[in-house]
Amino acid sequence: GQNIDQPTEMTATEGAIVQINCTYQTSGFNGLFWYQQHAGEAPTFLSYNVLDGLEEKGRFSSFLSRSKGYSYLLLKELQMKDSASYLCAVRDMGNNAGNMLTFGGGTRLMVKP
Amino acid sequence: DGGITQSPKYLFRKEGQNVTLSCEQNLNHDAMYWYRQDPGQGLRLIYYSQIVNDFQKGDIAEGYSVSREKKESFPLTVTSAQKNPTAFYLCASRRQGTSNQPQHFGDGTRLSIL
Repeated sequence: GQNIDQPTEMTATEGAIVQINCTYQTSGFNGLFWYQQHAGEAPTFLSYNVLDGLEEKGRFSSFLSRSKGYSYLLLKELQMKDSASYLCAVRDMGNNAGNMLTFGGGTRLMVKP
Repeated sequence: DGGITQSPKYLFRKEGQNVTLSCEQNLNHDAMYWYRQDPGQGLRLIYYSQIVNDFQKGDIAEGYSVSREKKESFPLTVTSAQKNPTAFYLCASRRQGTSNQPQHFGDGTRLSIL
């Protein structure tokens, strides 16, 4: 089985930087995805990491360390609209050709003025 | 526009009743998935299908059934055997073939008990 851990809630100030961590345990790691989900809406894809290092995409960056089973999502220049849940999801090669994801419980980020 | 359409947006179920949630995609994706999300929690996989006429159970398939008669459609039936059906149901699809392809989600159906 897999175990994915994220903080339940975080609070940050508009204009600041916030880092959301995700740790995982899996037998056959094959990629990690970050999604953003506003309340009552569909998750939307933010980033994908399969190799160690940092992937940057505008204000959002995602980092992966496979040896540590660790990823983080970095949000810069926070805006009020960034208030949402952020879901970490891991793909495991053991899951029938590795096409299915196991999701963490999500981190609810509240951005304050 | 290409995308995934779930309907209805809100659904109410009476005791002992089966209800069917619709999921249609025009993205020409082979793989489709159904997830359940409870308040404040992550997504749990109910069923998935990687090809037409084939589907597999996910982690919480009991009390649910699916069909995949067409590539575009993957309806989910919540049966009376599912004793706690109140949740937000999300359908997703994915293009097969490359590992970096993400799953794309519909807008969800919120199911409640009357």
